[in-house]
Amino acid sequence: DAGVIQSPRHEVTEMGQEVTLRCKPISGHDYLFWYRQTMMRGLELLIYFNNNVPIDDSGMPEDRFSAKMPNASFSTLKIQPSEPRDSAVYFCASRSGGGGRGTDTQYFGPGTRLTVL
Amino acid sequence: GNSVTQMEGPVTLSEEAFLTINCTYTATGYPSLFWYVQYPGEGLQLLLKATKADDKGSNKGFEATYRKETTSFHLEKGSVQVSDSAVYFCAPGGSNYKLTFGKGTLLTVNP
Repeated sequence: DAGVIQSPRHEVTEMGQEVTLRCKPISGHDYLFWYRQTMMRGLELLIYFNNNVPIDDSGMPEDRFSAKMPNASFSTLKIQPSEPRDSAVYFCASRSGGGGRGTDTQYFGPGTRLTVL
Repeated sequence: GNSVTQMEGPVTLSEEAFLTINCTYTATGYPSLFWYVQYPGEGLQLLLKATKADDKGSNKGFEATYRKETTSFHLEKGSVQVSDSAVYFCAPGGSNYKLTFGKGTLLTVNP
């Protein structure tokens, strides 16, 4: 299995521009999570989906952030307009459902390092 | 919701030294417990897990035991290597499918 795939790996943009981060979860996984990692705040959960439906978006910092999952194989996290304080590493993770303890491991992608100038 | 308190770093050790990284948590019920590791420039990887009280998770020489009575899941390794240099995260699971991550502990192992 290819694991969780994220693109781009690095993104440099200017303040005010729209940024779209992409994620392909592991095939067959029902849950998809978006995290943000910064030195100051550590690892924060932004939003997660179950069967393509957003379940909890309480971690989304503000309306400039939006996430979609149009199908089981693809999700996007969009920032519009971007600001310098959005600079961080953004991770996508997926896990299988079922609720059993053998399936509760989250698998992380390599991350997208975003720099907003 | 769940919370986790993890030993603050950074931790610097010499090769072959003994490692302990403390982790305590608060959670509803008895969640699965995880240690993840993040190597420089990479995403988080599962290091080990334990799913019930008194279970011991182990991998790559690392071990952690699920201690219900002390709500702890301390990570240990008997002899660290330079290649173990990374950031380590403790995380209890939750019935809502979320993981609650600690702040992470940076480990540096010198030759």
